[in-house]
Order: sequence, then C-alpha cells, then structure tokens
Amino acid sequence: DGGITQSPKYLFRKEGQNVTLSCEQNLNHDAMYWYRQDPGQGLRLIYYSQIVNDFQKGDIAEGYSVSREKKESFPLTVTSAQKNPTAFYLCASSIGTGDYTEAFFGQGTRLTVV
Amino acid sequence: DQQVKQNSPSLSVQEGRISILNCDYTNSMFDYFLWYKKYPAEGPTFLISISSIKDKNEDGRFTVFLNKSAKHLSLHIVPSQPGDSAVYFCAASAGSGYALNFGKGTSLLVTP
Repeated sequence: DGGITQSPKYLFRKEGQNVTLSCEQNLNHDAMYWYRQDPGQGLRLIYYSQIVNDFQKGDIAEGYSVSREKKESFPLTVTSAQKNPTAFYLCASSIGTGDYTEAFFGQGTRLTVV
Repeated sequence: DQQVKQNSPSLSVQEGRISILNCDYTNSMFDYFLWYKKYPAEGPTFLISISSIKDKNEDGRFTVFLNKSAKHLSLHIVPSQPGDSAVYFCAASAGSGYALNFGKGTSLLVTP
C-alpha cells in the first residue's frame, strides 16, 4: 500500500528538549513538505524539499530544522528555540514535477509540550 | 500575509441542499487551485482541483468554479450529505516547484 506514514501519532515533550517527527513515503514522490496546523490558523508551511539534499524554508521555519538524505524520508526536528511548539504537524508529498499535481498528506503528529 | 483567504469559518446546510464554500486569493502567480477535506486529528484528503486555464471542473457531487478576474473560487457540493461534514481547505500553487498555500478552512456542517 502506497502512502505517507507519520510517526508517532502523539508526542509529548518537555520544555527545552528537541524532538524529531518522522515522515516516510513510498510513493516515489520527489517533493515533500511539512505544515503546522493551529486552531483557526489553517495549514502553515514550515519547510519543503523538492529534491534529495535540498530544502527551503517556508513561512514559519524559525525553531525548526529538517534533512532530506533519502528520497522517501523527510524528518522534522522541533528545537527548543521554537517558542510555541504545541500543534498538529502534517507531512505531505507530491510528484514534484509538472505543473499540476496535488499533495498527499500523512495522518499527522500531535505534539504537546508539557 | 494570508495569500489564500476563506472568510467564512463555518457553514451549516441542510441535507440535500447545496453547499457553497468560497475562497479568495491575492497572488496573481497562482495557477492551480485545490480543495481538501479534513476530519479532526487526520490529514487532509484531496477533493478536487482546477487549473487556471479552466473556469469549471466537476467530479460527481463536487464542482469547483474559478473566476480569475475576481481572484475567486468556490466549491459547490450538490446534494449535501451528512458525511460531507468536515473542514474544507482551499489551496493554491504557483506551479511546479512551489508549495501549496492554504486558507484557514471552512467548517461545514450538514444537518439531517
């Protein structure tokens, strides 16, 4: 079954700790994305990657870091510099080539800072 | 600065009637528009899309209309069903190499 897998579904972190959210896809997609959802805020872009070993900052990249060492994996690290990390995090992927392609989303990770 | 705007946070419609969800955008570079449906604690699922070379795209009960001059698009659901109750996100892209920009969503409630 092809798809995008995010793990874990729920994650608790103490203040001051870094935490890494996993995102894996077996769709052979070139492009991958991380979005954050807060109540009433919609989906805001954190980082995206169009190709392996390359990524760009989105609208709210501060306090986050990513890597893209493999085509199928795009982990997101929420660092202690992120002032308001409690949110629902969504990973997505798309073919990445061609003009008109939709993004497919994982089931999300709910991060709570305690 | 929000480039994709959904000005109605919520909408309530009776089963069998038409649901109309609206979306406005400000970036004239956007040329591909999508609607996603989302349930709580789940990822969004793709619903329907339209490219800027068209003004209408239909898929079953779902139709998206695009008015480029007004920078406005709308999603029509006919007839609405209780299972359509969800948050609907409008998204736009400037093409290959660009990430999707999302609106804040409209929560649709279809009542029996």
